[in-house]
Amino acid sequence: EAEVAQSPRYKITEKSQAVAFWCDPISGHATLYWYRQILGQGPELLVQFQDESVVDDSQLPKDRFSAERLKGVDSTLKIQPAELGDSAMYLCASSLEGFSGGARDEQFFGPGTRLTVL
Amino acid sequence: KQEVTQIPAALSVPEGENLVLNCSFTDSAIYNLQWFRQDPGKGLTSLLLIQSSQREQTSGRLNASLDKSSGRSTLYIAASQPGDSATYLCAADMRFGAGTRLTVKP
Repeated sequence: EAEVAQSPRYKITEKSQAVAFWCDPISGHATLYWYRQILGQGPELLVQFQDESVVDDSQLPKDRFSAERLKGVDSTLKIQPAELGDSAMYLCASSLEGFSGGARDEQFFGPGTRLTVL
Repeated sequence: KQEVTQIPAALSVPEGENLVLNCSFTDSAIYNLQWFRQDPGKGLTSLLLIQSSQREQTSGRLNASLDKSSGRSTLYIAASQPGDSATYLCAADMRFGAGTRLTVKP
């Protein structure tokens, strides 16, 4: 069964260091999402890609976060410098088309990367 | 801005009981509503997707309904089992609630 892959699964870093997370969506999925989930809360959308283009990054803290999906397939989310408040689960999801024909299609999530900033 | 609320935050039931989880959203102009399950420390597993033109979806012991006019969705779980213990999250388009943590006791 096709799955969304993420790595690493766990990351521990010190504040002010740089960290990067990788996501490989389900093959053929045009839309890719990055979410952040703080313990006890629901996921919050950080950035949405349609192929290689960013369609929504309104909630991405652009002073320290960046995301890219250069070839429209896999994606990298980077934090530089990391802060204590960035400790969270970072989830990647993909969907076949995202939004088309007045409908938004089903999202499939990866296992996430648990980030701890010391 | 869409706000999604899930009540209750936690629920404990004996095995075999039928139960309902609630999800409310403030903006009725949604394209879809999706229910997920999340086990501790894991990613999200999609359970049911309801498009805005639909009223309900069913999968096995799960049934989800959508009432856009009242801004509500419910997830019905029939004959609950200990393996159903998890946190259940709803998402109106890409906006998530905080979830309901369900415990089913043997």
